[in-house]
Amino acid sequence: DGGITQSPKYLFRKEGQNVTLSCEQNLNHDAMYWYRQDPGQGLRLIYYSQIVNDFQKGDIAEGYSVSREKKESFPLTVTSAQKNPTAFYLCASSIEGRPNTEAFFGQGTRLTVV
Amino acid sequence: DAKTTQPPSMDCAEGRAANLPCNHSTISGNEYVYWYRQIHSQGPQYIIHGLKNNETNEMASLIITEDRKSSTLILPHATLRDTAVYYCIVRAPSGGGADGLTFGKGTHLIIQP
Repeated sequence: DGGITQSPKYLFRKEGQNVTLSCEQNLNHDAMYWYRQDPGQGLRLIYYSQIVNDFQKGDIAEGYSVSREKKESFPLTVTSAQKNPTAFYLCASSIEGRPNTEAFFGQGTRLTVV
Repeated sequence: DAKTTQPPSMDCAEGRAANLPCNHSTISGNEYVYWYRQIHSQGPQYIIHGLKNNETNEMASLIITEDRKSSTLILPHATLRDTAVYYCIVRAPSGGGADGLTFGKGTHLIIQP
């Protein structure tokens, strides 16, 4: 089935360690996005990519890094520079250049840093 | 900043129609209005979208005012499973490189038994 997959669902890390969250889609979508969600809050955009080998910072990019080496994959690294990394992380994808189509979301990764 | 304004929470009785308002007074002529919902600890789920005409699908109806400055999502017969946070967003045409999908805080809809 076509879809967008995030792994793992739950992730625990020690403070000061970098951690990479996986996001894979087989929808042939050009655009991919990463969001962060804190309890009781909406989604805040971290990074997005409209095409392979290119990406742009969102509203809260500090302390995060991404890569887009393949169309299907958009991994997010939470670095030790991120002051409050514990959050729910969501990945999404959509067809680029066509606003008349919906975005699809993964089921999220809940990261806890202890 | 989000381009939409929604009430933070609403209640609705089970079996009744739930009407969720959204203001998007700065919407551009080529921007679509999208609605998503998010059940606790899951990824957002697409509901419906429209440009200027009213739209209906198996999940909901979308009513957009003639001036396009506001819209209403209607769940015709709300069930307990419709309890969720509902997000109204406007989607800018891609290619300008300005942004992805910008979400506000949404409306927490609580269906009461």
